[in-house]
Amino acid sequence: GAVVSQHPSRVICKSGTSVKIECRSLDFQATTMFWYRQFPKKSLMLMATSNEGSKATYEQGVEKDKFLINHASLTLSTLTVTSAHPEDSSFYICSARWRSGNTIYFGEGSWLTVV
Amino acid sequence: AQSVAQPEDQVNVAEGNPLTVKCTYSVSGNPYLFWYVQYPNRGLQFLLKYITGDNLVKGSYGFEAEFNKSQTSFHLKKPSALVSDSALYFCAVRDIRTSQGNLIFGKGTKLSVKP
Repeated sequence: GAVVSQHPSRVICKSGTSVKIECRSLDFQATTMFWYRQFPKKSLMLMATSNEGSKATYEQGVEKDKFLINHASLTLSTLTVTSAHPEDSSFYICSARWRSGNTIYFGEGSWLTVV
Repeated sequence: AQSVAQPEDQVNVAEGNPLTVKCTYSVSGNPYLFWYVQYPNRGLQFLLKYITGDNLVKGSYGFEAEFNKSQTSFHLKKPSALVSDSALYFCAVRDIRTSQGNLIFGKGTKLSVKP
């Protein structure tokens, strides 16, 4: 299947700082990328959907000024957690879909710990 | 409203025995259904999907799923379980309310295969 790479896999940052997570589609052009958050032993919560070259669409309750999403190219989307707080600590997973494809492929996830 | 239900939080199976992980869905129209597997601290791996065609879908690692329209079910099955199949399994349906193709996930079922 298609490969989606996520980096970093783990990051620790101090409260008040910002951290960026990258999501890359390695062998296909991802016209649409999705960012999820997963709490321990819970299902995935969709945070936002981004299309290449367009502003991201955020789900209700997700602060767009806190979770900045950029999808500047067909192979890269970034999630920047701004002014991070300990409650932002979580497992963040990106996924990608190409044009009219039906299957969505996921990255390996990024563990964020805010101390 | 569209939804996916995985009625079992956990399924325990002995190695070599058949396994079933249940999933039912509620959507209007024809559903696009997916199964993903998540190993600890990892992203989601695509197992199989049903879009149209044969009701029995075969996927990765020997897994298969049967689409049953009358029962609105899409149970995941494997004839002979392996210890390495132990993981968290998610059933998902494509959200038809948007053109983005994002997925609506069930809460997940933890599969435990004992030697």
